Amino acid sequence: NAGVTQTPKFQVLKTGQSMTLQCAQDMNHNSMYWYRQDPGMGLRLIYYSASEGTTDKGEVPNGYNVSRLNKREFSLRLESAAPSQTSVYFCAAGGGPYEQYFGPGTRLTVT
Amino acid sequence: KNQVEQSPQSLIILEGKNCTLQCNYTVSPFSNLRWYKQDTGRGPVSLTIMTFSENTKSNGRYTATLDADTKQSSLHITASQLSDSASYICVVSGAGSYQLTFGKGTKLSVIP
Repeated sequence: NAGVTQTPKFQVLKTGQSMTLQCAQDMNHNSMYWYRQDPGMGLRLIYYSASEGTTDKGEVPNGYNVSRLNKREFSLRLESAAPSQTSVYFCAAGGGPYEQYFGPGTRLTVT
Repeated sequence: KNQVEQSPQSLIILEGKNCTLQCNYTVSPFSNLRWYKQDTGRGPVSLTIMTFSENTKSNGRYTATLDADTKQSSLHITASQLSDSASYICVVSGAGSYQLTFGKGTKLSVIP
């Protein structure tokens, strides 16, 4: 089992470009999450999906959109990237609101 | 506002020594507290999880304690190894919420 996988591992964007971060899990968990991690700060929740077909905003949703494509996949889209979105993005999956298993992360730089 | 504070921010210890990391939280209503280990360049990995009724939980050389009355937790690492070098993150769940509150982490460096 791969657990939670994320693509790409690294990405450099220019301001204003768009991109989609992909996340997939093979653990058959209902809930999935997108976080960002910045130096000196704890992980912050961007969006989450409690179950297939539902999505909700987290602490820092501005500038992002998500799609829960099916039970396995949860994508994060940046429509118009800004330097403030330079960060490490983590996807997580869990069986409920309490257990969460994290992916390896995507390092995004916006110039 | 829900908050999780960790101390110290960073710590350097000699291989083989013990250490204790601290976590104070103000999340209410409380559901559970977990400690994660995050190696550089990787995602966090869960070490322990405790509900309000649990005082202690061990995972090998890692022992976590919880005092729900004072809203404090600690993570004790015994006989440290070089591979323990990582950030340790305290995470608290509110009852019925999908949104976790993360501490900023303690960066531990174990040196030979």
